[in-house]
Amino acid sequence: GNSVTQMEGPVTLSEEAFLTINCTYTATGYPSLFWYVQYPGEGLQLLLKATKADDKGSNKGFEATYRKETTSFHLEKGSVQVSDSAVYFCALLDSGAGSYQLTFGKGTKLSVIP
Amino acid sequence: NAGVTQTPKFRVLKTGQSMTLLCAQDMNHEYMYWYRQDPGMGLRLIHYSVGEGTTAKGEVPDGYNVSRLKKQNFLLGLESAAPSQTSVYFCASSLRTASYNEQFFGPGTRLTVL
Repeated sequence: GNSVTQMEGPVTLSEEAFLTINCTYTATGYPSLFWYVQYPGEGLQLLLKATKADDKGSNKGFEATYRKETTSFHLEKGSVQVSDSAVYFCALLDSGAGSYQLTFGKGTKLSVIP
Repeated sequence: NAGVTQTPKFRVLKTGQSMTLLCAQDMNHEYMYWYRQDPGMGLRLIHYSVGEGTTAKGEVPDGYNVSRLKKQNFLLGLESAAPSQTSVYFCASSLRTASYNEQFFGPGTRLTVL
């Protein structure tokens, strides 16, 4: 079956620090990969996506590259801000299985302090 | 354009009581989903629907029922609530696409079962 493994949090960084949140996946087909972000008290929002190997998704200064050889999709940002404090979820969609269900990781809570 | 809305935002039930959570979307999406979010567990799919009048089981369907009588609404029912169903429930919707499937999430319903 499909699965997503994220680094466990919480992660606490100072403002302007470099961020990496690791994500690896297991899938039977050729999945699309996503990062969703959940700000306190809100639902999830799509942060970025990549639909095939070597694609790089980017948004709001965040980046992630789809690495098929290492089955990874690590999230990075060069300089975090207090407003980036949130929970980040890595997810995959294996549409080749005929399903349109997302499989989520457990989430990584990021706190950025001034 | 309200996106995905959920009713109610909060609810407290006693064991054995029943209730229905309502999800509505105004984006004309074919697919709709119900997830539950528990600490350290990420999001887990309860039920989903690929169109009006159709529903299917997800990862954790036991104790829940759903209905999709109208394309824009997806109802989640608890016939006899149990403390194990204390959780935050999120509804999501998406277009029917094969390449990738961005899901749009509602703000969530926080349910406590005593």
